[in-house]
Amino acid sequence: KNEVEQSPQNLTAQEGEFITINCSYSVGISALHWLQQHPGGGIVSLFMLSSGKKKHGRLIATINIQEKHSSLHITASHPRDSAVYICAVSRSTDKLIFGTGTRLQVFP
Amino acid sequence: NAGVTQTPKFQVLKTGQSMTLQCAQDMNHNSMYWYRQDPGMGLRLIYYSASEGTTDKGEVPNGYNVSRLNKREFSLRLESAAPSQTSVYFCASSALRDSEAFFGQGTRLTVV
Repeated sequence: KNEVEQSPQNLTAQEGEFITINCSYSVGISALHWLQQHPGGGIVSLFMLSSGKKKHGRLIATINIQEKHSSLHITASHPRDSAVYICAVSRSTDKLIFGTGTRLQVFP
Repeated sequence: NAGVTQTPKFQVLKTGQSMTLQCAQDMNHNSMYWYRQDPGMGLRLIYYSASEGTTDKGEVPNGYNVSRLNKREFSLRLESAAPSQTSVYFCASSALRDSEAFFGQGTRLTVV
């Protein structure tokens, strides 16, 4: 079993829909990261959080440390949000442990 | 605002050839990383460097070598490329442990 699990693996939505991507992890962590990767593109860090909730524009990330679970929400989704969203956790070492990603497609 | 710069973006190698992937960051970060990304798998750490002059093996180091030339640059070398090394390679950097990671644009490598 992977230490970081994301669901769903694939997600399609209509423009304007509210989207939730989930991440569960099985190890102790110091922080959780949400990353975005556009097709053929590089990887961009969206959030790094260790507790509570963070918001940036239409993106919201939450984490529940007790339940070892995080969610990434996208409000009023848009076709430009189409990308792969990756959850990763960092521990006391330098190393990140990555989920396999959630592929999101938003159609007009 | 260059951030993390990787070269080349694309490369095709024949089995047995060697090459070096270059990575440079202009954010004065201490830690630098090389990852590979394969279909259906999360990014896997090849090597990392916690500071200038130090390097450590990650999850999948076999077939690779690295050099932390200075604080800015961290290169990845394939001495004798194999088809199993066909992948997309990402360099990343962070200021400290547990701080935000910044990624390069990736290098798509095909070994035939």
